[in-house]
Amino acid sequence: GAVVSQHPSRVICKSGTSVKIECRSLDFQATTMFWYRQFPKKSLMLMATSNEGSKATYEQGVEKDKFLINHASLTLSTLTVTSAHPEDSSFYICSARVQDKPGWRTGNTIYFGEGSWLTVV
Amino acid sequence: RKEVEQDPGPFNVPEGATVAFNCTYSNSASQSFFWYRQDCRKEPKLLMSVYSSGNEDGRFTAQLNRASQYISLLIRDSKLSDSATYLCVVSDYSMNTGFQKLVFGTGTRLLVSP
Repeated sequence: GAVVSQHPSRVICKSGTSVKIECRSLDFQATTMFWYRQFPKKSLMLMATSNEGSKATYEQGVEKDKFLINHASLTLSTLTVTSAHPEDSSFYICSARVQDKPGWRTGNTIYFGEGSWLTVV
Repeated sequence: RKEVEQDPGPFNVPEGATVAFNCTYSNSASQSFFWYRQDCRKEPKLLMSVYSSGNEDGRFTAQLNRASQYISLLIRDSKLSDSATYLCVVSDYSMNTGFQKLVFGTGTRLLVSP
């Protein structure tokens, strides 16, 4: 079963409204969570990295005031797309990173949520 | 130049065939390398890590050539269930965040037919 749950899996919203997507780690504490966006036939692009209890760090070109990320607990991070526009329609996916153990490789400790399809009409 | 480049395909192969995917990456400082599998409209799932010495997991063999910045994935005895998009992924240090981050290729689509 999934170890990272993302909700909602699909959402349609009107242009100008805001949408919140939740990402939960189900059976582990995620010190770091990542938010990605994937447009059709394009690669996953990292939007931001968030650590519990601190502000998210955004990748270059990602508007932090438009994509609000809150990582209030070790098991929950939220992404809010504010004032959504049709060009924001995309597949948004989170991943959660287990606290690395010595010798572990980074990718092996990252679990992805099931993703959220956002359509802005 | 893209950080991670892959041939988008699709690769159309019959069941039982052997198929190979290649990938190149631009950052010589990349530290870790992976192949992920992504089914249509689903999240990516880790298929295997890639080591310089080469590694095998059942029908899947991955190779890394650091000098050429080249990664490969070989699938033997293809199954219908292998149809998916295969993502080449590298782990880089982000100067922006101070953390390791995964950088994804656009993926190579594989279609295995009966």
